[in-house]
Amino acid sequence: GAGVSQSPSNKVTEKGKDVELRCDPISGHTALYWYRQSLGQGLEFLIYFQGNSAPDKSGLPSDRFSAERTGGSVSTLTIQRTQQEDSAVYLCASSFGGNEQFFGPGTRLTVL
Amino acid sequence: AQRVTQPEKLLSVFKGAPVELKCNYSYSGSPELFWYVQYSRQRLQLLLRHISRESIKGFTADLNKGETSFHLKKPFAQEEDSAMYYCALSEGNTPLVFGKGTRLSVIA
Repeated sequence: GAGVSQSPSNKVTEKGKDVELRCDPISGHTALYWYRQSLGQGLEFLIYFQGNSAPDKSGLPSDRFSAERTGGSVSTLTIQRTQQEDSAVYLCASSFGGNEQFFGPGTRLTVL
Repeated sequence: AQRVTQPEKLLSVFKGAPVELKCNYSYSGSPELFWYVQYSRQRLQLLLRHISRESIKGFTADLNKGETSFHLKKPFAQEEDSAMYYCALSEGNTPLVFGKGTRLSVIA
């Protein structure tokens, strides 16, 4: 079946604008994760959803970042008032239980 | 605190030579260790995990709890092994903690 999909694949925005990044996990996967991949920092955890539990937001770098997961499926990561240091590739992953995390292709965000 | 260290940013080896990508971790519980690989213009994918004790594409990794290491090894490197390799740990279905990655370049 289809893997994890993300949209858009690329996003260029101006400093101060808000952006929304979308993730469609693999159907039936209960856990959904957002990571950020940037030069020099590697892969950093942002936020994690597991079933109907409250999300683990401990990795969000500031209150400009938020995420939702509607109906236990699609997730949206929102970055408000974007800054140049937000430029990175944002990766989404999903898993079923404690099994392998499957990654999407990522959204490359460039903040000018 | 959980931490994964990959000391080499770049590792270059000749085709047919052995390769070892180093990974050390610090964690107080009983983590599960993984190696993920990202080939050029492809998504991040799981290469192997320590509990499965498999050999994937000729790669193996042994968890050494005494040395808190999980080094990735292959006896004979191939050009198609050139990629970015990330060591990671988690416990159960918690988020992965990644190292900063090692870029492996296999020279023909």
